[in-house]
Amino acid sequence: GAGVSQSPSNKVTEKGKDVELRCDPISGHTALYWYRQSLGQGLEFLIYFQGNSAPDKSGLPSDRFSAERTGGSVSTLTIQRTQQEDSAVYLCASSGGGDYGYTFGSGTRLTVV
Amino acid sequence: DQQVKQNSPSLSVQEGRISILNCDYTNSMFDYFLWYKKYPAEGPTFLISISSIKDKNEDGRFTVFLNKSAKHLSLHIVPSQPGDSAVYFCAASGSNSNSGYALNFGKGTSLLVTP
Repeated sequence: GAGVSQSPSNKVTEKGKDVELRCDPISGHTALYWYRQSLGQGLEFLIYFQGNSAPDKSGLPSDRFSAERTGGSVSTLTIQRTQQEDSAVYLCASSGGGDYGYTFGSGTRLTVV
Repeated sequence: DQQVKQNSPSLSVQEGRISILNCDYTNSMFDYFLWYKKYPAEGPTFLISISSIKDKNEDGRFTVFLNKSAKHLSLHIVPSQPGDSAVYFCAASGSNSNSGYALNFGKGTSLLVTP
């Protein structure tokens, strides 16, 4: 597609449930990032994929968070046993690699009740 | 800890005047700085950037100034237009980062340009 697509755009889930957030990057982009923005905070780096290399998971806040990227394209961010503090906008970005000029999706607003 | 700080959560400016958004950072290893603009319900979009080897970069109405000794940068918008009303994020990264081109973001400044 023309841009980075994220789904769902909004997700309300009960505390303790698992959720999956999806990101479709721009076709051909080798680098993919997940960030999150909690209320009143800046964007927080979560995880980075580059091609077929092992992902950099250094930003994941706990072992309840995991992400995968299948076939070097679509990525899924999974949050297990969601907590209220997981409520945030989760943003995905992709780039052609080698620069900071990446394109963000519109995000998934996750609300844990 | 917040390595990139935007201490003004909001700013209101009249149309046609200059908007100045400020940003401070604490990590002396940062060598690349960017400004992103974000409208509601959209992802951030890249606006302008500057490398640490420069102290100024200009693109149309937007100019970014970098003061390395003070670990401070600012974004100037002149003249400001109502369409510039958005949240502006300052971001920084270091070339020695192991996380590719992952960025450290500030909390953002909400700019309102009034007619």
